[in-house]
Amino acid sequence: NAGVTQTPKFRILKIGQSMTLQCTQDMNHNYMYWYRQDPGMGLKLIYYSVGAGITDKGEVPNGYNVSRSTTEDFPLRLELAAPSQTSVYFCASSYSRSSAIETQYFGPGTRLLVL
Amino acid sequence: QKEVEQNSGPLSVPEGAIASLNCTYSDRGSQSFFWYRQYSGKSPELIMFIYSNGDKEDGRFTAQLNKASQYVSLLIRDSQPSDSATYLCAAGFQGAQKLVFGQGTRLTINP
Repeated sequence: NAGVTQTPKFRILKIGQSMTLQCTQDMNHNYMYWYRQDPGMGLKLIYYSVGAGITDKGEVPNGYNVSRSTTEDFPLRLELAAPSQTSVYFCASSYSRSSAIETQYFGPGTRLLVL
Repeated sequence: QKEVEQNSGPLSVPEGAIASLNCTYSDRGSQSFFWYRQYSGKSPELIMFIYSNGDKEDGRFTAQLNKASQYVSLLIRDSQPSDSATYLCAAGFQGAQKLVFGQGTRLTINP
């Protein structure tokens, strides 16, 4: 049981380039999330998904896109990289049941540098 | 605007003492509160959560919630050097499926 996995671990992008950050979970969780963490700061929610085919914006969605075609995978797309997107990106997942408090499990993160 | 505030520290505590970490939140709609520990360069890991007023204990950790004051705290008893990390407070909405994080408090335990 690998939990939440993310690839790549580290990437350098030039301004204007595009890339996809991959996230996969093998816990059959229905909820998945993308966060970014800037140095010395907490996590900000970018997008989240409550199940395959359903996604919604978080606090800081501008410059990003997501899709969720399967329960396991939740890729994050950066279309036109900007220096402001330099950050560490964490994917997380949880299993949602009504009236229950569920833990979010985090992947190891992807460190992105845009130059 | 949902906000969670923490003192960024650093907070320095001698080994064996009690470390006290504090957090305030702005939205009374918050239903649950989480404490995560994050070692440098690693992902956050859950320590504990609390959703009822009062104290909740788990080993050396005690979470305290005061909804009237919109205040959450985490006490770490018998602090160990391995407790040195950044501690993130998060407020949960919509049944805790959406979290708003504070900026984190960096804690250093001195041997």
